[in-house]
Amino acid sequence: EIVLTQSPGTLSLSPGERATLSCRASQSVSSYLAWFQQKPGQAPRLLIYGASSRAPGIPDRFSGSGSGTDFTLTISRLEPEDFAVYYCQQYGTSPRTFGQGTKVEVK
Amino acid sequence: QVQLVQSGAEVKKPGASVKVSCKASGYTFTGYYMHWVRQAPGQGLEWVAYINLNSGGATYAQKFQGSVTVTRDTSISTVYMELSRLTSDDTAVYYCVRGVGAPNYYDYWGQGTLVTVSS
Repeated sequence: EIVLTQSPGTLSLSPGERATLSCRASQSVSSYLAWFQQKPGQAPRLLIYGASSRAPGIPDRFSGSGSGTDFTLTISRLEPEDFAVYYCQQYGTSPRTFGQGTKVEVK
Repeated sequence: QVQLVQSGAEVKKPGASVKVSCKASGYTFTGYYMHWVRQAPGQGLEWVAYINLNSGGATYAQKFQGSVTVTRDTSISTVYMELSRLTSDDTAVYYCVRGVGAPNYYDYWGQGTLVTVSS
């Protein structure tokens, strides 16, 4: 199965700062890569699909890039509500797999 | 608006079975797929299975083959996931998730159902 490795494990930043999250795949997933945000006690929420397409209703401060094996989720200016855990997922190859998550916490 | 409403929390003993439901509304039920994803306490996300809501055909992750069965009832727009031979390792929140596109990505999630396996 395809292993997704997210880095860093934890990102400590202040509101207004830029967040850059990485997701690396053990083999190519083309552009079949999604990003989710999860807050405590809630279900994940789709942010990005197709590596770079924002889901409906997602603010434009969230952007995704990459293809093949290296992907990035960027939050241009952190808002208080953006502090959460972020997961990447590949959905092009079975079994679908998720990264282990990156926690974005308040510095 | 699209809604996926899951059944309530369950507590089961090891070796028992549990059936979790997911009722969909706000869209054409048979036009999509439904996936199940689980999350053990404090852990990450794990894909379990999916079902083609039109044909009823289901596909399972290898580790869940034989222990998980996914079905649907189109008359009430509801999907079911049954887990059998439960162990403590099955303690998790189980989410139903709508799959869209080809290949499917996940656009809407249910609220989750906590299944606790404890003697």
